Amino acid sequence: SQQGEEDPQALSIQEGENATMNCSYKTSINNLQWYRQNSGRGLVHLILIRSNEREKHSGRLRVTLDTSKKSSSLLITASRAADTASYFCATDPNTGTASKLTFGTGTRLQVTL
Amino acid sequence: DGGITQSPKYLFRKEGQNVTLSCEQNLNHDAMYWYRQDPGQGLRLIYYSQIVNDFQKGDIAEGYSVSREKKESFPLTVTSAQKNPTAFYLCASDPGRGVLTFGAGSRLTVL
Repeated sequence: SQQGEEDPQALSIQEGENATMNCSYKTSINNLQWYRQNSGRGLVHLILIRSNEREKHSGRLRVTLDTSKKSSSLLITASRAADTASYFCATDPNTGTASKLTFGTGTRLQVTL
Repeated sequence: DGGITQSPKYLFRKEGQNVTLSCEQNLNHDAMYWYRQDPGQGLRLIYYSQIVNDFQKGDIAEGYSVSREKKESFPLTVTSAQKNPTAFYLCASDPGRGVLTFGAGSRLTVL
């Protein structure tokens, strides 16, 4: 079953704008992760946020986590054409291993020049 | 460079044939995983192995088989029992932190 659901399904912005995508989940988690997938390629891990953290930054990425609302958001600031990809959230229910990671359906981001 | 190598990148299968997808890693990771990705869907776990000579079924193991004879290798066989095998298959590994490193994927098409 799908634990994480991303919103929106697709997002189109211009270069330089910020992109925000959201992930909602259903059960308690140990951590939530974001991955990027370029078309026809494997996924690349971007950032992990633990259940006791509220916000985390990595370069142009900012992730927030609200465990009371069971939701997370990924903000990409000053988007570039190279950010065009699909972005997936993945939740770890409470194991600390990848064996129970559940992936959402993804947000397709298109950044145009 | 360390990483995960999947082969072949593209594979075509006739109905009734078994095919094997290769996954090799030189990251020295203990755990390895196979996922299936269909258009517009997230990844679904087929099988995983946390140690050599041991593996566990994931959410959609029916019609698939795996082996883990070496730490570096985790091949996936798509058998004729898998009724809808056309998909993008992703192999991944985990150093034990619960974070996945993925290969570039193999796209299987049934003719």
